Amino acid sequence: DTGVSQNPRHKITKRGQNVTFRCDPISEHNRLYWYRQTLGQGPEFLTYFQNEAQLEKSRLLSDRFSAERPKGSFSTLEIQRTEQGDSAMYLCASSPLNQGLHGYTFGSGTRLTVV
Amino acid sequence: ELKVEQNPLFLSMQEGKNYTIYCNYSTTSDRLYWYRQDPGKSLESLFVLLSNGAVKQEGRLMASLDTKARLSTLHITAAVHDLSATYFCAVDPYSGTYKYIFGTGTRLKVLA
Repeated sequence: DTGVSQNPRHKITKRGQNVTFRCDPISEHNRLYWYRQTLGQGPEFLTYFQNEAQLEKSRLLSDRFSAERPKGSFSTLEIQRTEQGDSAMYLCASSPLNQGLHGYTFGSGTRLTVV
Repeated sequence: ELKVEQNPLFLSMQEGKNYTIYCNYSTTSDRLYWYRQDPGKSLESLFVLLSNGAVKQEGRLMASLDTKARLSTLHITAAVHDLSATYFCAVDPYSGTYKYIFGTGTRLKVLA
């Protein structure tokens, strides 16, 4: 297992376009999280899944954002009608159910630039 | 409002010196995590502190947790250049969701 994988690593898009990011978690991990990190800040929680169920969404996640995790495996995060304020690093993390003992494992992130 | 504050925000130190980074949080939590982030990279787990009084050490870094004071420290002993990075603490205040609240980060630069 090579850890949490995110694609693409970098994405530059024009304002108003839609973008989709993918996250492949560690295979035996039930929980999957999405965070957003802007320059000079700590990561902020967006949403999380336990298996295929999306259990919580942050108020940061506007209607333009949607996340899925079909079949409880990989996850996608889509941003519709991108805005310049969406420019950030989007981080995916996964954990087993007993994650309290181990913490998350983060992926390398997808850096989004909206021009 | 839940807050996780770190200080200092920036730290420039000479190789060989010792220093401590502080992480204060405003809610009850008996779990605290430390992560390291290199520029443009993702977060690497350093320590998982699961109870009051927990202390963990790895190389030149030692982390401790005081849940009564809502304080964690990350102590650096005899700093080396390779420790230059941004360090984040995160608390897990929501029972069952494991939704972390991250601190503001401490950007450490170790000068040779």
